[in-house]
Amino acid sequence: SAVISQKPSRDICQRGTSLTIQCQVDSQVTMMFWYRQQPGQSLTLIATANQGSEATYESGFVIDKFPISRPNLTFSTLTVSNMSPEDSSIYLCSVLAGVYEQFFGPGTRLTVL
Amino acid sequence: DQQVKQNSPSLSVQEGRISILNCDYTNSMFDYFLWYKKYPAEGPTFLISISSIKDKNEDGRFTVFLNKSAKHLSLHIVPSQPGDSAVYFCAASARSGGSNYKLTFGKGTLLTVNP
Repeated sequence: SAVISQKPSRDICQRGTSLTIQCQVDSQVTMMFWYRQQPGQSLTLIATANQGSEATYESGFVIDKFPISRPNLTFSTLTVSNMSPEDSSIYLCSVLAGVYEQFFGPGTRLTVL
Repeated sequence: DQQVKQNSPSLSVQEGRISILNCDYTNSMFDYFLWYKKYPAEGPTFLISISSIKDKNEDGRFTVFLNKSAKHLSLHIVPSQPGDSAVYFCAASARSGGSNYKLTFGKGTLLTVNP
């Protein structure tokens, strides 16, 4: 299984600012994903990060709010832009490993004041 | 509208007994199902999966059962151990239709195994 790290592990941010979350994998992977888990809710897919092309966003998520970079096969970033308290969540990256199984990073706990 | 539902927010069992975690789904396009375990301050860890062509998959103490007609699956843990105490997420994927890798998750069930 892939070893996935995320930075930062947690942060407290002010309303209107932006935060970039990094996801690093210890091996090359084709597909990386970004999820959000709001308090008391399930994990929701934000977007699929494609290497060499734009990310594919799920309904309800837009690039201006959650820009994603995927410069190579081991790294991706998710930016949460112009944050509001409603963006307080755990943000997780995952990679496709195996046929359909995804392995997750430890998550970034974001609190927006 | 939640397509994957875990109707029990929590479950408490005694060590050594069986834990049964349930999951229901509404989307008939789902054809691959996964269970994840999550400890506090960690990401979800993959446990076991099942394809819709099967009705049972077993891996050590963990068995997943799938009832397609009822759109229901369950995870059995036997025997339960205190280290199994965690939040368990059910997830589903529709492998056809261009969304092959998207996982739709339930809200999770907190399992507590008491010594």
